[in-house]
Amino acid sequence: AQSVTQPDIHITVSEGASLELRCNYSYGATPYLFWYVQSPGQGLQLLLKYFSGDTLVQGIKGFEAEFKRSQSSFNLRKPSVHWSDAAEYFCAVGARGSQGNLIFGKGTKLSVKP
Amino acid sequence: DAGVIQSPRHEVTEMGQEVTLRCKPISGHNSLFWYRQTMMRGLELLIYFNNNVPIDDSGMPEDRFSAKMPNASFSTLKIQPSEPRDSAVYFCASSLDSSGNTIYFGEGSWLTVV
Repeated sequence: AQSVTQPDIHITVSEGASLELRCNYSYGATPYLFWYVQSPGQGLQLLLKYFSGDTLVQGIKGFEAEFKRSQSSFNLRKPSVHWSDAAEYFCAVGARGSQGNLIFGKGTKLSVKP
Repeated sequence: DAGVIQSPRHEVTEMGQEVTLRCKPISGHNSLFWYRQTMMRGLELLIYFNNNVPIDDSGMPEDRFSAKMPNASFSTLKIQPSEPRDSAVYFCASSLDSSGNTIYFGEGSWLTVV
């Protein structure tokens, strides 16, 4: 069965510092991979996605993520965090070849210190 | 382009009352999803439709919950009778078959049952 693990429930970083949010997945083949962001009181917004090809994926707001098949990981990174990045981040996997739903991780809440 | 539109955005109702949440997916999208988000359980898929047909409703918690999609541009999620434990944010989302499971979320309906 597919599953997604985000091991960090809450992370605090200083503004301007680098960020890495971890995501590990369990799936029998290479899935579709996604990162979404949710600001307080808002819906989920797609940051980036990996389908195939280059394993380093660029997204919106200066985020990137790297798919590492050997580690079953899809970690999200940003070189310099801004206060407006404070939000909750969700990693998700989807099964290739089906039009089913996405399986979401529990989320990582990011706080940014001035 | 309009995104996924949900109504109401906020609802407070008394236990035992019927609640109906509404969703208009993105025009042209042929898959529609209802998710529930709570602090304890995170983001859970309740049901999803493909071409207006329910494909997987295994996430619907009990018979008090029902969902319909009478046409490609409208869906409802109904709770009857409502209970305090149904208090959550309910998200509707939609996707296009050819988009590789990229799901676009609405802003959510924030339900409080007292």
